Amino acid sequence: AQSVSQHNHHVILSEAASLELGCNYSYGGTVNLFWYVQYPGQHLQLLLKYFSGDPLVKGIKGFEAEFIKSKFSFNLRKPSVQWSDTAEYFCAVRSYNTDKLIFGTGTRLQVFP
Amino acid sequence: EPEVTQTPSHQVTQMGQEVILRCVPISNHLYFYWYRQILGQKVEFLVSFYNNEISEKSEIFDDQFSVERPDGSNFTLKIRSTKLEDSAMYFCASSTGQNQPQHFGDGTRLSIL
Repeated sequence: AQSVSQHNHHVILSEAASLELGCNYSYGGTVNLFWYVQYPGQHLQLLLKYFSGDPLVKGIKGFEAEFIKSKFSFNLRKPSVQWSDTAEYFCAVRSYNTDKLIFGTGTRLQVFP
Repeated sequence: EPEVTQTPSHQVTQMGQEVILRCVPISNHLYFYWYRQILGQKVEFLVSFYNNEISEKSEIFDDQFSVERPDGSNFTLKIRSTKLEDSAMYFCASSTGQNQPQHFGDGTRLSIL
């Protein structure tokens, strides 16, 4: 069965620190990959997506992610976090022939000024 | 930016009662989805809906669940006889196409007593 693992459950950083959140998935076929963010009290918002092409994708608010097919990974990065990045971050995978998104458990990021 | 809207934001229901959760997808979207998140667990896919029929459903989506698009704007999830374990956050999502990003609503928190 397909699954998504996010190894960091809770990350605490100071402003200006660099961020990398891990995401690994288990599925051997073609996949679409997503990172969603949920700010406190708000809905899930799409940060970035990978469908094909350049494995380094850039999203909103300075976030980027790199798809490494050989490692089944899609890690999220930001060089310098801000207090406003405090939120929960979800990695999600969709196999090419299906509708459903499979989510990881989420990573709670707290950024302190 | 157009949004997916869900009502109510919080629903409290007695076990065994029927509940209907409502969603208004983004107006030009054609694919509709329901997901749920039990407290402390992953966001899980329930069902996808296109062209007035279910296109995919998960094992969770048993005979107690049904979906409907009763008019041109609403998309509803009905649970016929609620159980304690149905307590969760229910998210509606919509997209323009099967392989396009899904846009999520704020969710309805369902509490079964």
